[in-house]
Amino acid sequence: GAGVSQSPSNKVTEKGKDVELRCDPISGHTALYWYRQSLGQGLEFLIYFQGNSAPDKSGLPSDRFSAERTGGSVSTLTIQRTQQEDSAVYLCASSLGGHLYGNTIYFGEGSWLTVV
Amino acid sequence: AQRVTQPEKLLSVFKGAPVELKCNYSYSGSPELFWYVQYSRQRLQLLLRHISRESIKGFTADLNKGETSFHLKKPFAQEEDSAMYYCALSGGAGNMLTFGGGTRLMVKP
Repeated sequence: GAGVSQSPSNKVTEKGKDVELRCDPISGHTALYWYRQSLGQGLEFLIYFQGNSAPDKSGLPSDRFSAERTGGSVSTLTIQRTQQEDSAVYLCASSLGGHLYGNTIYFGEGSWLTVV
Repeated sequence: AQRVTQPEKLLSVFKGAPVELKCNYSYSGSPELFWYVQYSRQRLQLLLRHISRESIKGFTADLNKGETSFHLKKPFAQEEDSAMYYCALSGGAGNMLTFGGGTRLMVKP
């Protein structure tokens, strides 16, 4: 597709269950980002992948959160033992060659996660 | 560490009035600053970046390094400007994009 694609668009899960969120970046984009958008909290950085470099995981809120990027393309964000405070919109974004001057970050529509 | 602060969660103005969305940042180096916008039921998208020094949809933003600010301005607000606006900062190549908490702009008729 032409843009960043995320799935599922909506997910309702029970507390304690694991969830996987998928991101398909724009073809050719080497940089991929995950952000979390909580009500009233703005955008929170989670993790950043750039090419073959080690990912920047400094934003992951706990060890229940992990992400991988296979083959330099699709990424999966996994949340284990979900808690109600994990409820948020999880946004994926990609850019060409990392966040250099002149590169634009393109966002997906997000995955709305509700933990009940 | 890099930090972006948007002091106003909500800004409400009447159509035709000037609007200024405030953004202050903290970064020790030379940052690249951006404004992103999210209209209702649409994805987050880039509005403008400071290095372009351009006006998009009538909006402008000037980087003031002395005051560490990057306020977004428009002289005459329109109803279609109603949206969520995020200020963002990047420290440069390979650096993550840090967002402020966002300001919801409501333009009333």
